[in-house]
Amino acid sequence: QSVLTQPPSVSGAPGQRVTISCTGSSSNIGAGYDVHWYQQLPGTAPKLLIYGNSNRPSGVPDRFSGSKSGTSASLAITGLQAEDEADYYCHSYDSSLSGSGVFGGGTKLTVL
Amino acid sequence: EVQLLESGGGLVQPGGSLRLSCAASGFTFSSYAMSWVRQVPGKGLEWVSGISGSGRTTYYADSVKGRFSISRDNSKNTLYLQMNSLRAEDAAVYYCAKDPYGGKPGNWFDPWGQGTLVTVST
Repeated sequence: QSVLTQPPSVSGAPGQRVTISCTGSSSNIGAGYDVHWYQQLPGTAPKLLIYGNSNRPSGVPDRFSGSKSGTSASLAITGLQAEDEADYYCHSYDSSLSGSGVFGGGTKLTVL
Repeated sequence: EVQLLESGGGLVQPGGSLRLSCAASGFTFSSYAMSWVRQVPGKGLEWVSGISGSGRTTYYADSVKGRFSISRDNSKNTLYLQMNSLRAEDAAVYYCAKDPYGGKPGNWFDPWGQGTLVTVST
């Protein structure tokens, strides 16, 4: 059971917009810690998609955007493409746990 | 180009030990904190351990504290994870990942290595 809660799956048709939620608590997202997002294509290592809640690394299309409010964060993907089919993970810090980071359980995005 | 290359995974019996390595290139290794993150095939990501750029400060998830030890050799640009008293639930792909800063790890990870598979079984 992950500290950050994501829906197991979402889907959308090509060209549509989908959002993936990441719900935390007062010891992580709600405490003001940043949220980051990763994309993991089948058989590959995770790749940074969004950092610091809403910042895109160079090379990441502007179809991907992130936001944060209260104890939750969201990843939005517009103009859905077949190549976006992957697993997506949110990541933050939790002050109630020893160590460093906590991840969401991951969301499988299916492009219909 | 920043690159991370893990090695050292393999099959080990329960209770056994294994040392993972992560060779880094393309950046000033000692200036950045590093972490190990694991993933059971088909499951989610779990942060395991982190170390500051200097190597003076280390951090562990509760699930591995007392059994795993993270270290780095900045002269060799290499990160290590010594895993002792391995359990079946430690079986996973282990990734090393670079933090954007040199202090306490806990920021975003970019990039990640390709991962090395650890199997714990008789």
